Amino acid sequence: QQQVKQSPQSLIVQKGGISIINCAYENTAFDYFPWYQQFPGKGPALLIAIRPDVSEKKEGRFTISFNKSAKQFSLHIMDSQPGDSATYFCAASNGGNYQLIWGAGTKLIIKP
Amino acid sequence: DAGITQSPRHKVTETGTPVTLRCHQTENHRYMYWYRQDPGHGLRLIHYSYGVKDTDKGEVSDGYSVSRSKTEDFLLTLESATSSQTSVYFCAIMEGQGSADTQYFGPGTRLTVL
Repeated sequence: QQQVKQSPQSLIVQKGGISIINCAYENTAFDYFPWYQQFPGKGPALLIAIRPDVSEKKEGRFTISFNKSAKQFSLHIMDSQPGDSATYFCAASNGGNYQLIWGAGTKLIIKP
Repeated sequence: DAGITQSPRHKVTETGTPVTLRCHQTENHRYMYWYRQDPGHGLRLIHYSYGVKDTDKGEVSDGYSVSRSKTEDFLLTLESATSSQTSVYFCAIMEGQGSADTQYFGPGTRLTVL
C-alpha cells in the first residue's frame, strides 16, 4: 500500500511535443505529490508539487494533473525541449510521516 | 542547493572494509535523509534523522548504520561493505516544518565495492 507505481520507464519525445509521465498510488492517506527532476551526475530537484484538493497545477510548461478517485497523477511537459531530457520521479507522502515514497523514475529523452 | 555537501564524492573500496559517508548541511535543518539510487529502483530510503541523536530506519537499512552527533552532520556507515552496496548515495534535508515540505538533495556519492 506504500508503493507509488510510475510509468513509462523510459520515454522518447520529439522537440515541441508533449511528454506525459504517469503515477499511481494505493494509500489514500497520501496528501502531497511532488515531481522531481534529475540530470545526470546531480541530485534530484523539486520541479512541481500538488495537494489533493486541486485537480491540476501548472507552472510554465509543466502541469500536474491529479485524479483523486482513480488514485493517479501525471506530469505533462508541453512544448518539450532537449533541455528537458532528464530522469523524472514522482513521489507521495502523508502528513506526519516526514518521508517520501518514490516512483521508480522515468528517463525522458527529447529528440531535436 | 540548500547548503548540502557530501564527502567523498567518489569512492572505490573492497568487500569487507568499513566505509563512512558524510553529509554536511549549513542551514540547521532538523530532518536529514540517506537514500541509495539504483537503476530500476529509483530512490530508496536507508535511514533518516529527525534531530541530534534521533534516527530511524528506512526501507533498506540492513547493512547500514547512521549517526548524528551534531545538527549539521549526518554520517552513513557501511560496517562491512558488500558488492550489493555499490550504488549512488544521496543525502537530503527537509526544509520547513511540515511533512510536505521540500526535500533538497546533495550532489551524491558514487560508491563502488569490488
